[in-house]
Amino acid sequence: EVQLVESGGGLVQPGRSLRLSCTASGFTFGDYAMSWVRQAPGKGLEWVGFIRSKAYGGTTEYAASVKGRFTISRDDSKSIAYLQMNSLKTEDTAVYYCTRVGPWLRAYYFDYWGQGTLVTVSS
Amino acid sequence: EIVMTQSPATLSVSPGERATLSCRASQSVSSNLAWYQQKPGQAPRLLIYGASTRATGIPARFSGSGSGTEFTLTISSLQSEDFAVYYCQQYNNWPPVALTFGGGTKVEIK
Repeated sequence: EVQLVESGGGLVQPGRSLRLSCTASGFTFGDYAMSWVRQAPGKGLEWVGFIRSKAYGGTTEYAASVKGRFTISRDDSKSIAYLQMNSLKTEDTAVYYCTRVGPWLRAYYFDYWGQGTLVTVSS
Repeated sequence: EIVMTQSPATLSVSPGERATLSCRASQSVSSNLAWYQQKPGQAPRLLIYGASTRATGIPARFSGSGSGTEFTLTISSLQSEDFAVYYCQQYNNWPPVALTFGGGTKVEIK
């Protein structure tokens, strides 16, 4: 059974940093791209970014709203994906979901989701 | 960036009835379109990818159609567990990659 478990959320002041982790199980983690999607309170879904598998270079892509501030990385030996969030803004307040990306190159849909972790940016 | 527009924002349907949800892309996304279901307090769940392929374990009452800029999610006979918010997402916009979701359609009990 595929499982994705996020951790690291919490309350943080504007301008500070936070790192989220996503621990995966139930599949060969290194074979898949992994992504982060967020949802502000009472709002819709917003893609944050993803990291390709090592087979496709392990490269990353980001939404314009977070590019230059957020960094996604992965540790295939531990089956963990990370989201490093710097220079946080109040508008980054959201539930952050870790997702597995579809199994084919450029199949950038999200076939499994974690339960999410809440990040609140407030002074 | 490709803008995804869903309609209606809210759909009131009686159990057992058919529900038809629409999703429009601001430019062609071919068949690179997915649908998700989200219930209150839960993470979204993948229903459809490739515009019309049901994900693993998704009941046959859910079907997707369309290509290019116009897409439809149909729930043939609504069950109580189907009342939720539904999102479409395009994944055609690369490079650069800019994945976008629609604003959602809430399916509520009439």
